[in-house]
Formats: sequence, structure tokens, C-alpha cells
Amino acid sequence: DAGVIQSPRHEVTEMGQEVTLRCKPISGHNSLFWYRQTMMRGLELLIYFNNNVPIDDSGMPEDRFSAKMPNASFSTLKIQPSEPRDSAVYFCASSVQGAYEQYFGPGTRLTVT
Amino acid sequence: AQSVAQPEDQVNVAEGNPLTVKCTYSVSGNPYLFWYVQYPNRGLQFLLKYITGDNLVKGSYGFEAEFNKSQTSFHLKKPSALVSDSALYFCAVTPGGSARQLTFGSGTQLTVLP
Repeated sequence: DAGVIQSPRHEVTEMGQEVTLRCKPISGHNSLFWYRQTMMRGLELLIYFNNNVPIDDSGMPEDRFSAKMPNASFSTLKIQPSEPRDSAVYFCASSVQGAYEQYFGPGTRLTVT
Repeated sequence: AQSVAQPEDQVNVAEGNPLTVKCTYSVSGNPYLFWYVQYPNRGLQFLLKYITGDNLVKGSYGFEAEFNKSQTSFHLKKPSALVSDSALYFCAVTPGGSARQLTFGSGTQLTVLP
């Protein structure tokens, strides 16, 4: 079975550029989560969706970050404009209705220079 | 608000010896508890969970964890460590119900020495 799919796996961009990260959750899962992982701050929840609706975006650091889930099989996390402090590994995870364990994608390593 | 503490940043154990990775939590109500493992350059992988029932839960790769309500702990254990168990381990908690968010600990780096 295909797990959570994220693209790209690596992204290097210059400060000020727009970055779009993509996620395809596991088929049949109805909750989707975006996390950021850094050495300094560990694993932080940015936003999560339930049935394509954003439920909690309190972890989104600032207005430069936005996330969408136009349908059950696709989500994007956009950073515009990007800054060097956004450099991190961004994970997408999904879970199925009635369960709490989340299944993580391989992550996107973002480097902003 | 809920929180998780993993008091040890690093745990070293010899191959074949038992291992324990510690986790304590704070949450309102009955906790739902989880362990995840992360190998280098990979995403987090679900190991096991406690929702209700038997305090000792068994998971993947021979790992188990014991829920202790009085000590608010959920320590991860394995009777005989393998070098391949070397990885970063995360404990997580949620109050359950309508809340879907997991709160993760800071992680414990486990190194199994040959």
C-alpha cells in the first residue's frame, strides 16, 4: 500500500522566493497534518485538516505560511516569501476516521539561502 | 494543555541487553499515548499506542510499553536490543475525544552498541 507521499523531497531556494510543498495522504484517511521539524524546536504541528476543512492553524508561524486541502487526496503548504529561518524538514501525516495514530510521509527538507 | 517529557536526550545500551526509553505526560482526562521511531532522513514511524485496557501494550519490532497512571508514565521497553534499533524515539499524547492533535516529546536518541 502506498503511504503518505510528499514532494519534493528536497527544496533549495533563495530568500524571498515562494515555496510550495505537496502532500498526498493515504487513501481513505480523513485527517491531515502538517509538521515542521528543527533541531532547536523539535516537532511542531503547523495545521491540521479534518475532512478537508482546516480545524486548527494555531501553529502556523505567521502570515507568510498558508495551507490548503482542495480535496481528500491533496494538500499544499505554501511559504511566501520564504526566509532562511524557515529552513527545516516539513512532514505531512494522515490518520483515519476513529483512530488517533498518524502516519507520516518521508518529509521535505527545505533550505532557504 | 497537554505536554510530554522525555527526560533523556540520549540512551546507550549494549546489544542484547534490555532497553528502556522514558516518557512522562500531562493531560486532562484519560490519555491516549503513542510511541514513534524516526530513522535518519525518514519520517516518523508508528510503533504502538495505548488507548484503554491492558496497561502493557505490544507493538512493532518487539517493542512494548507500560502505561502507569499513578506515575503518569509510558515507558518504551524491549527485552533484547538490536543494533538496528538505533534511532530517534518520540513519545506523544492526546486527550482524545474530538481532539486529533498529538503533542510530541523532544525525542530520545537510542544507540545500541555492538
